Amino acid sequence: NAGVTQTPKFQVLKTGQSMTLQCAQDMNHEYMSWYRQDPGMGLRLIHYSVGAGITDQGEVPNGYNVSRSTTEDFPLRLLSAAPSQTSVYFCASSYDYGGAFNEQFFGPGTRLTVL
Amino acid sequence: DAKTTQPNSMESNEEEPVHLPCNHSTISGTDYIHWYRQLPSQGPEYVIHGLTSNVNNRMASLAIAEDRKSSTLILHRATLRDAAVYYCIPRQGGSEKLVFGKGTKLTVNP
Repeated sequence: NAGVTQTPKFQVLKTGQSMTLQCAQDMNHEYMSWYRQDPGMGLRLIHYSVGAGITDQGEVPNGYNVSRSTTEDFPLRLLSAAPSQTSVYFCASSYDYGGAFNEQFFGPGTRLTVL
Repeated sequence: DAKTTQPNSMESNEEEPVHLPCNHSTISGTDYIHWYRQLPSQGPEYVIHGLTSNVNNRMASLAIAEDRKSSTLILHRATLRDAAVYYCIPRQGGSEKLVFGKGTKLTVNP
């Protein structure tokens, strides 16, 4: 299994540009989520999905859109990039939502810089 | 969400045990205590979790206080690869939501 994969690894955008961060998992996990991590800080939840066709907002959803058309993929779209969105983005997945023994598997991250 | 307090940083020598403390005095009765760690330039990885009893796995042990207001992650023999930021996260039962604090940065000296 490849686990959780993210592309690209690095990206530089100009203010106002849009882009999509890709996330895929091959473990047939129902739950997927996106976090951002700013320097020296812990991770903050942006959006999450409990299954194909179902998404919900996390702690910091503004400026981001998500959709979940398949179990495997959970892309994160930046509609109009701003310097405040400069961060490292992590995608995570787990077997299902709320299972007592679930561990979350994280991808390697995408480092985004917005100029 | 339960608040956690962890030391900002700790140091250890290689092959010595490490005890990483976490206070979570506002934890609710159904919150599981999860520990994740983040190696440099990587995504977090799961370490261990527990509810009331002490837990062991191949990576670490988790000691949970009887009143559940604190817990301690124990690395029995630290290696250089254990240098990471360790996060203690009370997770609500029935929820996948993980709320990360700043964690404890563990430095392991050769």
